[in-house]
Amino acid sequence: DAGVTQSPTHLIKTRGQHVTLRCSPISGHKSVSWYQQVLGQGPQFIFQYYEKEERGRGNFPDRFSARQFPNYSSELNVNALLLGDSALYLCASSLATGLEKLFFGSGTQLSVL
Amino acid sequence: GEDVEQSLFLSVREGDSSVINCTYTDSSSTYLYWYKQEPGAGLQLLTYIFSNMDMKQDQRLTVLLNKKDKHLSLRIADTQTGDSAIYFCAESFNDYKLSFGAGTTVTVRA
Repeated sequence: DAGVTQSPTHLIKTRGQHVTLRCSPISGHKSVSWYQQVLGQGPQFIFQYYEKEERGRGNFPDRFSARQFPNYSSELNVNALLLGDSALYLCASSLATGLEKLFFGSGTQLSVL
Repeated sequence: GEDVEQSLFLSVREGDSSVINCTYTDSSSTYLYWYKQEPGAGLQLLTYIFSNMDMKQDQRLTVLLNKKDKHLSLRIADTQTGDSAIYFCAESFNDYKLSFGAGTTVTVRA
């Protein structure tokens, strides 16, 4: 079975641009979460979606938004990119809303110049 | 509070045991986790422990939980070169998010 897949794997943008990152959860998983990992730090929670509804949001500005589609895949959008948005963006999926088994993808490395 | 703290580096000789320590802050956390991250990769769930347990063993991995001191440890027996990675401790928070520590970089030397 395929794991959590994310695209693209790498992305370079310039300040002020907009970016869309995509995630496909493990088959059968209905919950998707997004995390930001800045170099040298642990991942920071951005969003969790379950059955297309936002269940939780981390301490990120409104420039960050996400949605979940009927097939449970998800997009993370970031507007007006800043240099500080450069990070590895990780998507994770789980069967339902519980956190006992959260499976992560390999991430999208975003560089903002 | 959501602070999870870990020591940053650990160097261990191949074949020895590694012990990685972590302290967390939220006494209401339901689960506590250990994740492994290899270079250029995402996070791999190694093991997790329910908060009403003191210990969990899974092959070479042993997790110890001291709820009174809010202390979690991961012991890796017979450490191998493939165990070189960054290890993250995490606690569940509000039932929808994980709060991670900064990670412990484990280097296994021959």
